[in-house]
Amino acid sequence: DTAVSQTPKYLVTQMGNDKSIKCEQNLGHDTMYWYKQDSKKFLKIMFSYNNKELIINETVPNRFSPKSPDKAHLNLHINSLELGDSAVYFCASSQGNTGELFFGEGSRLTVL
Amino acid sequence: GENVEQHPSTLSVQEGDSAVIKCTYSDSASNYFPWYKQELGKRPQLIIDIRSNVGEKKDQRIAVTLNKTAKHFSLHITETQPEDSAVYFCAPTTGGGNKLTFGTGTQLKVEL
Repeated sequence: DTAVSQTPKYLVTQMGNDKSIKCEQNLGHDTMYWYKQDSKKFLKIMFSYNNKELIINETVPNRFSPKSPDKAHLNLHINSLELGDSAVYFCASSQGNTGELFFGEGSRLTVL
Repeated sequence: GENVEQHPSTLSVQEGDSAVIKCTYSDSASNYFPWYKQELGKRPQLIIDIRSNVGEKKDQRIAVTLNKTAKHFSLHITETQPEDSAVYFCAPTTGGGNKLTFGTGTQLKVEL
């Protein structure tokens, strides 16, 4: 009964490829997020959705496209992968946009 | 602005000592002040939080103190144990209170 689950956990791919990461939460939360954690451990918000509606879109290249088919799911698609995209991507959810964040286990993306 | 800085960036203490991590923010509208702990290879998890109408909150060995005038809040850990070793992040609300912005992180190492 994992609260926030994301797949895959590891992703190794070549530059230029396209990849997707899926996220699901069973907490009944109305807000979901994608965060990027780089090699220096900085955690940066990328996107936030509230009830399937995009409410935060930080300065992220448009190669990154989030999709929320319903309020329990938030997927991340990345086109034309670059070396600098290598990071751990965390999905998270909360009730309201300043409630406690519940993170998934993270998806480690390595671009070769 | 959304500058959120933590000091120190690394902290090494002996088991049983106290540890204090300070978080400085720039958004005067910030009204929610959480601390997250991230163990190596794991997801960040909330350990304590405080709202702007409270100056201090304690939960067993951890406490958070808030100085809204000076725009900083601190995490205090007493009687540190090896399992306290982790990266700690503050994440005050920013952007008019519609999101959390994570600080630069503090690597705490508790040595035996």
